[in-house]
Amino acid sequence: EPEVTQTPSHQVTQMGQEVILRCVPISNHLYFYWYRQILGQKVEFLVSFYNNEISEKSEIFDDQFSVERPDGSNFTLKIRSTKLEDSAMYFCASSYDFTSTDTQYFGPGTRLTVL
Amino acid sequence: GDSVTQMEGPVTLSEEAFLTINCTYTATGYPSLFWYVQYPGEGLQLLLKATKADDKGSNKGFEATYRKETTSFHLEKGSVQVSDSAVYFCALSNSGGSNYKLTFGKGTLLTVNP
Repeated sequence: EPEVTQTPSHQVTQMGQEVILRCVPISNHLYFYWYRQILGQKVEFLVSFYNNEISEKSEIFDDQFSVERPDGSNFTLKIRSTKLEDSAMYFCASSYDFTSTDTQYFGPGTRLTVL
Repeated sequence: GDSVTQMEGPVTLSEEAFLTINCTYTATGYPSLFWYVQYPGEGLQLLLKATKADDKGSNKGFEATYRKETTSFHLEKGSVQVSDSAVYFCALSNSGGSNYKLTFGKGTLLTVNP
C-alpha cells in the first residue's frame, strides 16, 4: 500500500540553525500539507501546497518557514533560523483531491529538537 | 474559528471492555469528521470518517456517528484488544471555508491491558 515517508525520523539542531525536513508524498497525490504537534498540544496545520504554490498557510507559518517541491517526488519544509519553540513533531500529509471529504494520508513524522 | 474538543486521556481499559472516546466540534458550514489513530512509532492513519449528518463511519470494529444536533462524533468499540492501544485523534475538515485543512483535537491515549 502506498505511504507517505519522512526523513529524518529525529533531528537535533542548535538554536539559530537552518533545518530541512523531507517528505515523499504518495506518488499520484496532488496536494501536500505540513502539520506540527508540540508535545502535549494539538496537531496544528502549518501549510498546504498545490501546483508549486502555497494554497493556505496558518499564522504559525511565518517568514522563517518555507516549503518547496524541488523535484517530482520530494516535498520539503525549511526552517531558516530555528527557535526553541520550534521543537515539535512535524507531520507531512498528502491527498489526491482538495475537498473536505478527501482523506489526507500522513507520514510517520520528524521529531525536531532545538537546543 | 473551527475547533475540536475530545476527551482527555489517558484511558486504560481491560481487553474486551467497551470503549467510548468523546469528541465534540465547533464549525461553520458543513464539516466532514474524521478519526485518526497513531500507533507507537507510526504516523497518523485514517480510522474512519463521516461526511454528512447522520452518517456512520466504521472500520476495524470502531464506529462513530455524525450527530449535527449535538455537534458530536464519539468513537466507540464494543470489545477492545491489546492491539488497539494507540493515540486517537478526532478531526474536522470544513467545506464552509476556502481551504480544507484538518483541525484536530488533542488526542486521547488508549492503553488496553490483557
